[in-house]
Amino acid sequence: QVHLVQSGPQVKKPGASVKLSCKALTYTLKNYYIYWVRQAPGQGLESVGVINPGGGATDLAQKFQDRVTITSDTSTSTVYMELRSLRSEDAAVYFCARSGVEVLSAASLYYKYMDVWGQGTTVTVSS
Amino acid sequence: EIVLTQSPGTLSLSPGERATLSCRASQTISSAYVAWYQQRPGQPPRLLIYGLSNRATGIPDRFSSSGSGTDFTLIISRLEPEDFAVYYCHQYDGSNSFGQGTKLE
Repeated sequence: QVHLVQSGPQVKKPGASVKLSCKALTYTLKNYYIYWVRQAPGQGLESVGVINPGGGATDLAQKFQDRVTITSDTSTSTVYMELRSLRSEDAAVYFCARSGVEVLSAASLYYKYMDVWGQGTTVTVSS
Repeated sequence: EIVLTQSPGTLSLSPGERATLSCRASQTISSAYVAWYQQRPGQPPRLLIYGLSNRATGIPDRFSSSGSGTDFTLIISRLEPEDFAVYYCHQYDGSNSFGQGTKLE
């Protein structure tokens, strides 16, 4: 069974940065796109961005383009998401999810449905 | 950005009843790029349906969906106790976005 295992909860002060990880188990990371989606308390799902783990190409939602970096390390089957200049409104559960469709090429980047989700990482932003 | 609006916000039904959940897009999207997810409290979303009409692995056939253009529907034919959760539609036609969710209680 395919699993994505995410790093543990984080508590950060406003203005700080946080780096979350998402490790792929039982499949080859580079073969599927990885998405990051967040969910504020009691709210819906919000797309953050996507990475092609093999080629490294990324795309971010416009509101995150100046504060988020998504990277991958295929040697450890891990994708990372760094969020900088944290604000109170960044407090949320951050999920990574795998595309349901395999990567077309090392340079490709597509939004697809998400068939496997990590368990989520809670980020708390508090002074 | 395509905005998805789900209705109703909350749907109150009983086990055995039929549930109809709606998702309206702010512009036309291909039905091939619509998915639905179920989320239970404290859990990540679970893929139910993708490409509008394909059930994900292990999803029972009481779940189905339909629609085209800007209007899409998720139908649960006979509600089981475990179906009471929040449901999200998702479009991935180019970029991607989620609806705000419908709580089925």
